[in-house]
Amino acid sequence: DTEVTQTPKHLVMGMTNKKSLKCEQHMGHRAMYWYKQKAKKPPELMFVYSYEKLSINESVPSRFSPECPNSSLLNLHLHALQPEDSALYLCASTQSTSEGTDTQYFGPGTRLTVL
Amino acid sequence: AQSVAQPEDQVNVAEGNPLTVKCTYSVSGNPYLFWYVQYPNRGLQFLLKYITGDNLVKGSYGFEAEFNKSQTSFHLKKPSALVSDSALYFCAVRDRGSARQLTFGSGTQLTVLP
Repeated sequence: DTEVTQTPKHLVMGMTNKKSLKCEQHMGHRAMYWYKQKAKKPPELMFVYSYEKLSINESVPSRFSPECPNSSLLNLHLHALQPEDSALYLCASTQSTSEGTDTQYFGPGTRLTVL
Repeated sequence: AQSVAQPEDQVNVAEGNPLTVKCTYSVSGNPYLFWYVQYPNRGLQFLLKYITGDNLVKGSYGFEAEFNKSQTSFHLKKPSALVSDSALYFCAVRDRGSARQLTFGSGTQLTVLP
């Protein structure tokens, strides 16, 4: 099974709201990723967790706050977002971050709209 | 540094005809190369990857890709296109000698015409 699940599928929030995106995988992968994707563009890496520790933060604004409570679960907490943050947010996982051969498996994404 | 180029934003092909989606890469060492497909409002689905060995890689849904080291290319191919193949295709590279993450190309929209 190569499934990564994400909830919710769609999220509409105001600029003062606080919300969270959730990602889950049960493949035993030890690396998990958050990407942001604008329409018709490639995914942009935001964060990488390796063995439940944050290993990469691609200079993402602090209004995005990742959390990895355990090896199967990854959250992205959102607060005081801007309309330009509206995008498809993708979660992905790999066996590890040390093996470049590992395939990244992506979830279906959360479509976020910030009003 | 590592980079990927997908020179065509849009590729149109008639159903039943062969299709090619082009990808060229640049890495300082040897590459790991990947192809993903994305249907509207969906995540990226893995199609195939080149790690080492045979230059012709076979993947999901009848797709294959040929690694060409001299031309630094990794073009995606399918002998007979289906309307259902219409989607956005991304090539990605990772430098074998680097700790860097995947670098994606800009994407190619494939439209298969009935």
